[in-house]
Amino acid sequence: RKEVEQDPGPFNVPEGATVAFNCTYSNSASQSFFWYRQDCRKEPKLLMSVYSSGNEDGRFTAQLNRASQYISLLIRDSKLSDSATYLCVVNGRGYGGATNKLIFGTGTLLAVQP
Amino acid sequence: ETGVTQSPTHLIKTRGQQVTLRCSSQSGHNTVSWYQQALGQGPQFIFQYYREEENGRGNFPPRFSGLQFPNYSSELNVNALELDDSALYLCASSPGTLYGYTFGSGTRLTVV
Repeated sequence: RKEVEQDPGPFNVPEGATVAFNCTYSNSASQSFFWYRQDCRKEPKLLMSVYSSGNEDGRFTAQLNRASQYISLLIRDSKLSDSATYLCVVNGRGYGGATNKLIFGTGTLLAVQP
Repeated sequence: ETGVTQSPTHLIKTRGQQVTLRCSSQSGHNTVSWYQQALGQGPQFIFQYYREEENGRGNFPPRFSGLQFPNYSSELNVNALELDDSALYLCASSPGTLYGYTFGSGTRLTVV
């Protein structure tokens, strides 16, 4: 089983749609959670951290369910510029060694259509 | 505040050769990690350096090695290159706490 699992997509949605990405992680000792965005042939960039109480940043809402080891990202009113790969990331505390080791999912490709 | 810079941006090497990739961490960041991202995959953790010491290693063979310097810049060395080493190599720095990393734009290595 992969340490972080995501649906690879692609998700093809029209502009203005609401889209949700889900992710599960295997290590219950994980302590920090993030969503990164990666444009084609570019580096990953931090989109938002994910907190236990859930958090929102404009059109983006992230939620964490520790009991189910499940993370989600909701994008409302999709824009063409949202087209990218969205990477679910878990901080690797509990894996031993590197406290700040990031464990990435394979990413979910989002294509927003005009 | 400067970000994370990596060099070179692109590199082509022959199987069996050795390569050194370089990374300058973001100002104030004492922790540097290296990741390998193959096409269509998420980045995979290679190793991490904290204050010049290796502080964790992923599932990569010993021919992947690294250094961190007193100014917190870092190098990734790969010996005896194999075709499967072709990937985007990403360097990321952190202030050393449980925060997200800042990534450099990567070095795209092609092994032929």
